[in-house]
Amino acid sequence: TQLLEQSPQFLSIQEGENLTVYCNSSSVFSSLQWYRQEPGEGPVLLVTVVTGGEVKKLKRLTFQFGDARKDSSLHITAAQPGDTGLYLCAGARGFNKFYFGSGTKLNVKP
Amino acid sequence: GAVVSQHPSWVICKSGTSVKIECRSLDFQATTMFWYRQFPKQSLMLMATSNEGSKATYEQGVEKDKFLINHASLTLSTLTVTSAHPEDSSFYICSARSRVFHEQYFGPGTRLTVT
Repeated sequence: TQLLEQSPQFLSIQEGENLTVYCNSSSVFSSLQWYRQEPGEGPVLLVTVVTGGEVKKLKRLTFQFGDARKDSSLHITAAQPGDTGLYLCAGARGFNKFYFGSGTKLNVKP
Repeated sequence: GAVVSQHPSWVICKSGTSVKIECRSLDFQATTMFWYRQFPKQSLMLMATSNEGSKATYEQGVEKDKFLINHASLTLSTLTVTSAHPEDSSFYICSARSRVFHEQYFGPGTRLTVT
């Protein structure tokens, strides 16, 4: 059983649609990160959320950290083919303990 | 800022040989570096955590004598896969963080193929 449950595992949508990816846990995290990874490359940091209830926006991406700091969501508005990739959430507990979700493979079709 | 490089980006070696992968933080001092392994279409699997100047902490099931990790400076960590076998073929990714970061920053990964 993973500490961070990420859903959905796969998502295939048409360009222009909206989508939400979820990361849920019963544990509290001191911070949570979202990464995007493309095939053959390392994950690239999108955002870090630290405060419960925090909302951060990065162009068409909106990230939210749950009030209790146990869960997070990533919402993409008007998805584009360039958004295609593997999205990973990672929760931090303590200084050097990170727990990764299983990933969401997003495919945006033109 | 927060750039991590990895070298080589890909390597092919024969079974029984050893391979060294380097991970460098280019614009910050990495007090901690992490080594991950990733199988196709899966998330990251943490292999070990290393703090500068001390021995690495390996995750359960990871053979420390097979995967040698050295973190001799604040900008460099190395992973040596000793006596490589075909089942060691994988995508290896390092990451680094400093005390001032909440998050870790990843290198571009190394594709290892053992023939």
